[in-house]
Amino acid sequence: AQRVTQPEKLLSVFKGAPVELKCNYSYSGSPELFWYVQYSRQRLQLLLRHISRESIKGFTADLNKGETSFHLKKPFAQEEDSAMYYCALTTDGGTSYGKLTFGQGTILTVHP
Amino acid sequence: DVKVTQSSRYLVKRTGEKVFLECVQDMDHENMFWYRQDPGLGLRLIYFSYDVKMKEKGDIPEGYSVSREKKERFSLILESASTNQTSMYLCASSSSRRTGGFQPQHFGDGTRLSIL
Repeated sequence: AQRVTQPEKLLSVFKGAPVELKCNYSYSGSPELFWYVQYSRQRLQLLLRHISRESIKGFTADLNKGETSFHLKKPFAQEEDSAMYYCALTTDGGTSYGKLTFGQGTILTVHP
Repeated sequence: DVKVTQSSRYLVKRTGEKVFLECVQDMDHENMFWYRQDPGLGLRLIYFSYDVKMKEKGDIPEGYSVSREKKERFSLILESASTNQTSMYLCASSSSRRTGGFQPQHFGDGTRLSIL
């Protein structure tokens, strides 16, 4: 069975500092990885997905199959980045359901 | 823009009651999901549905059932509510289209359910 691990429950940085939210997964096949974000009093929303290989709000994430990781990075954190971040994985089990397995989440706080 | 609407933002029920949580999506999505969100545990899948009247168990289905009589509506039912079912419940939907990989799930605002 697949598993997603986010080792940090809480992460605090100062504005302008680099930030990295860690995500490791266990799955023997080829997963698709996502980062979702939940800002205060807002719904959970997609931030980015590895298949798109794009930068959203200055965040990037690279899938490292050798290390089974999908860390989220931003070179200069902003106060508005403060939120709960979830890493999630879905696998091709021959279906199109796209069931997600989520990590435990990391609360990022960016201090002024 | 995709809209996933959950009928209640806050709900307070008593132990032993039968509780219904409703979710409606307006994007003609085939897949719908129910999760519960607990601090330190992330989101855990309770049930999902990939078509009308079709359902599959997720990781924590015990104590829950679901109903999908229409494509746009997916209901979560707590047959006999217990205090350990106090949680935030999130509904999501997604398309089965596989162009460019799996389609992302779109979430509702959540229902914070308290069982007293």
